[in-house]
Amino acid sequence: ETGVTQTPRHLVMGMTNKKSLKCEQHLGHNAMYWYKQSAKKPLELMFVYNFKEQTENNSVPSRFSPECPNSSHLFLHLHTLQPEDSALYLCASSHRTSGGYNEQFFGPGTRLTVL
Amino acid sequence: GQNIDQPTEMTATEGAIVQINCTYQTSGFNGLFWYQQHAGEAPTFLSYNVLDGLEEKGRFSSFLSRSKGYSYLLLKELQMKDSASYLCAASDSNYQLIWGAGTKLIIKP
Repeated sequence: ETGVTQTPRHLVMGMTNKKSLKCEQHLGHNAMYWYKQSAKKPLELMFVYNFKEQTENNSVPSRFSPECPNSSHLFLHLHTLQPEDSALYLCASSHRTSGGYNEQFFGPGTRLTVL
Repeated sequence: GQNIDQPTEMTATEGAIVQINCTYQTSGFNGLFWYQQHAGEAPTFLSYNVLDGLEEKGRFSSFLSRSKGYSYLLLKELQMKDSASYLCAASDSNYQLIWGAGTKLIIKP
């Protein structure tokens, strides 16, 4: 138990569906992240939020839409996905300081399958 | 560009020692992280190095050479529960983590 929870753990959706992934952190951190993890590939950083403000968007397609209503919650809204979007989606949080140490705490992930 | 290289897979025997290497190229450098990830679970933090040298933590140690852009994770007295993927990540000039693809470690009895 890392203090970061994600729901759902598994999701199967068609290309025309709309769904949302939810992440919640109970660690008092000020930064939250969405990553995509595909087999045998490095973790791909998708979005970063610092103090609820989006600071990174690594050229992610618009079919992925993040939302951060407060520093404890993070959502990833999905619509009209493609089969190649099937992957493990990981949420992480950290306490960002000016000193830069950025240990990230991960949730268990949502295994997404797009049919 | 920014890049992290580590072996895709390694096999070792229970009770033995294994060293997982990682080389990195980043724009700026603010430390090197190692994470462990069991199948179907979250990555969990193992170690952090920002200065050259060896950091020891129980059965696990991590080494860093900044001049060579090189790190390794050393696991001693291997146990079956150490079977997992080990992820190397370098913190760049913006304190973002640049990740390797992970090394899958298989422990045999």
